[in-house]
Parts: sequence; C-alpha cells; structure tokens
Amino acid sequence: AQTVTQSQPEMSVQEAETVTLSCTYDTSESDYYLFWYKQPPSRQMILVIRQEAYKQQNATENRFSVNFQKAAKSFSLKISDSQLGDAAMYFCAYRRSGGGSQGNLIFGKGTKLSVKP
Amino acid sequence: DTAVSQTPKYLVTQMGNDKSIKCEQNLGHDTMYWYKQDSKKFLKIMFSYNNKELIINETVPNRFSPKSPDKAHLNLHINSLELGDSAVYFCASRRTGEETQYFGPGTRLLVL
Repeated sequence: AQTVTQSQPEMSVQEAETVTLSCTYDTSESDYYLFWYKQPPSRQMILVIRQEAYKQQNATENRFSVNFQKAAKSFSLKISDSQLGDAAMYFCAYRRSGGGSQGNLIFGKGTKLSVKP
Repeated sequence: DTAVSQTPKYLVTQMGNDKSIKCEQNLGHDTMYWYKQDSKKFLKIMFSYNNKELIINETVPNRFSPKSPDKAHLNLHINSLELGDSAVYFCASRRTGEETQYFGPGTRLLVL
C-alpha cells in the first residue's frame, strides 16, 4: 500500500524568508501524481502545487516550487518570500494514475507552518 | 459561483442520532469523494463515487451510507452517531482524466 510521510509536524519561518517542507512517499507504481495542499484556519483545502511523476521538470507556482526526486521518492515544497498568509497546515498527497479505486488521495499527516513577522 | 459546497458547515448532535451531510458540485465532474479529517488533522478517504456508482468503500462502519442521486451530488448519511464520529468531513470532486480534486469547505461534526 502506498504511504506518505511528512516528518516535520511543525515548522517556523521568518516573513520574507524561505522554508522547505519535506515529504517522502512509498509506492511501487511508476505513474502517479503528487500534490501539496494548504489548509488555513478557515479549514478550506487549497491546492498549492501539483507534480506528474512522468515529468522530470519540477513544478513551480509563483513563490511555491517543488523538488521532486523520483528515485528517492521525495517531494519537498519550497516557499520563497514567505508571507503571513502562508501560515497554515500543509499536506502532501499522493494519487495513483488511473481512475476507479486508484482515484483517491493518500495524505501525509501534515506540517503546521508558522510565519513570524 | 461556489465550486463544491457542503451543508451544513457545522453540526452538533447527540449520540445515537441520525444525521446527513450534503455535497454538491457545479463543476461538471463525474467523480466525488468523502474524506474524514480526525482531531489530529489526519485526512483519510471514506467513499468515492463515479457516475453515481460506488467505487471505493474503505473500512468504514456500515452506519455510514453515501448516496448519490446524480453526478453533481454526493450525500453522506450517518446512523446511530458515536463520539468517535466527531471530525471534519470533506467532500471533493474530480473530472475523469484530470488529476486535481477540488474540495468543499468541510463540515465539522461534533457528537456529544
């Protein structure tokens, strides 16, 4: 069974600084998708960034970028120029390619990010 | 122009009661999901429906019964509520062939 591990329960960063959140996963599949979701205190689950396993190029979305290391099964999230609004729980998630029973997301336990002014 | 909506947002009830949570999406997606987020923030899949057919049923007590009257709706009915059912329940949807799931705002259920 696939698993997702986030080894940092909490992280803290100074405003305007850069922080990296770690995520590792375990799978025997070669084709899959990885996601980072943000959950602020409002509880809403917000997609931050997505990576297709077949793509070697790391995904970027404005201040958010990933370091995807397929062989190491690692998928870290880098937040540059951190802002107060980035404070939230961040969840790493895995999804097998295909539909049906493979369609659901498997989540890590989350990393709580605090941003200090 | 809400994409995935859930009602109610908050639900406080007594043990033993029966309650329902409704989910609707206006994105034209054909697959919908229910996830449970426990008190430690851990998110886990409960059910998935594709075109109104159940395709995932994780080890969820049969007190939980999802119902999908059409592709745009996936409701969750819970019988004989227990203290351990207290959690936040998220509905999500996805279009087949696309990889991103869109989440509703969540329903916080508190069983007293």
